[in-house]
Amino acid sequence: EVQLVESGGGLVQPGSPLKLSCAASGFTFSSNWLNWIRQAPGKGLEWVASINPDGSSTYYPDTVKGRFVVSKDNAKNTGYLQMNNLRSEDTAMYYCARTGSSDFDYWGQGVMVTVSS
Amino acid sequence: DVVLTQTPPTLLATIGQSVSISCRSSQSLLHSNGNTYLNWLLQRTGQSPQPLIYLVSKLESGVPNRFSGSGSGTDFTLTIDPVEADDTATYYCQQSWNDPLTFGSGTKLEIK
Repeated sequence: EVQLVESGGGLVQPGSPLKLSCAASGFTFSSNWLNWIRQAPGKGLEWVASINPDGSSTYYPDTVKGRFVVSKDNAKNTGYLQMNNLRSEDTAMYYCARTGSSDFDYWGQGVMVTVSS
Repeated sequence: DVVLTQTPPTLLATIGQSVSISCRSSQSLLHSNGNTYLNWLLQRTGQSPQPLIYLVSKLESGVPNRFSGSGSGTDFTLTIDPVEADDTATYYCQQSWNDPLTFGSGTKLEIK
């Protein structure tokens, strides 16, 4: 069974860093793209980052480019989202999702990130 | 950026009814490889999103055939026929024709 479990969320002050993890199981992690999508409270979905299977290529929207870094450790079956210089508008539930049959065919349960002073 | 406009924003349906949700793209989602990169997802309250349909009309594994997707170019439709009580959710269209990947604003389906 495919499972994705996020961790590392919490309350941080503006300007602080935070690193999220996404532990994967039930599939060959090294064969799939990994993505991060966020959802601000009461709002819609926003794509945040993607990384290719071997971790050599990464993609971001302009809203986080230069502040967020996505990575994956295929030996540990874990993906990461390093978030730097966090802003209040980064407050959201963060989901990791696998690319398989579709862009986001399996999702984790999400982890909450709150940026507030 | 590709903008996806979903209508209606909310939908009230009765069990057994057929409902349709529209997703209009600001650009054609037809790729030069012949694929059209438009997907549909649903999100129940308090849960993670889950995939429904990919490449316009292909059902994800386990999705009942009450759900169907259609369309081409810039105009797409998700149809649920017949609606069941468990279909209460917010439905999103999503494109991966071009970066950044974008989502529609969602359509909240409520069952009477």
